[in-house]
Amino acid sequence: DGGITQSPKYLFRKEGQNVTLSCEQNLNHDAMYWYRQDPGQGLRLIYYSQIVNDFQKGDIAEGYSVSREKKESFPLTVTSAQKNPTAFYLCASSHPGPIRAGELFFGEGSRLTVL
Amino acid sequence: AQTVTQSQPEMSVQEAETVTLSCTYDTSESDYYLFWYKQPPSRQMILVIRQEAYKQQNATENRFSVNFQKAAKSFSLKISDSQLGDAAMYFCAYRSSWSGGSNYKLTFGKGTLLTVNP
Repeated sequence: DGGITQSPKYLFRKEGQNVTLSCEQNLNHDAMYWYRQDPGQGLRLIYYSQIVNDFQKGDIAEGYSVSREKKESFPLTVTSAQKNPTAFYLCASSHPGPIRAGELFFGEGSRLTVL
Repeated sequence: AQTVTQSQPEMSVQEAETVTLSCTYDTSESDYYLFWYKQPPSRQMILVIRQEAYKQQNATENRFSVNFQKAAKSFSLKISDSQLGDAAMYFCAYRSSWSGGSNYKLTFGKGTLLTVNP
């Protein structure tokens, strides 16, 4: 079945450590996204990529980095520079083109806890 | 910048009854898309319904329908014959229709938590 796979589902990190969250999709979508979800805050866009080898900062990119070396993969690294990294992270992808680009397909999320 | 406001942090409904979730947005654009997403307790978010701003007809998907009031910048979601499986967090979202640049991104509201009582 086609879909988006995020791993790990739960992750614990000590302060000062970088961690990388994996996101893989087999939907053949060009666009991929990373959102952060905090209670009462909704979803906030961290980074997005419309095509391989290209990505743009979202609204809260500070302390995060991404790469897009393959169409299927869009990993997110939470660096030690991110001051409040404890959150639920959602990866998504969408069809190409303006008509369906707003129809996001989401993974099940990764919960990061900083100890 | 566009903003999306969901003024009801929580709502509840009796099973089989109808509930309406509110959403307002602020934009200077004339053409755009609006969406409702559902996030059940399992956490995987799914699209419920979408509306193109240039269409006057309200979108409908089975028991889900919207009331789109463009002049008022209002986009409410009506759930008819509520079922226990409708219990979830519901997010309203906005996307510009202008292609290119940052206009692939969605702006989400903060969500409304819907409880369905048996």
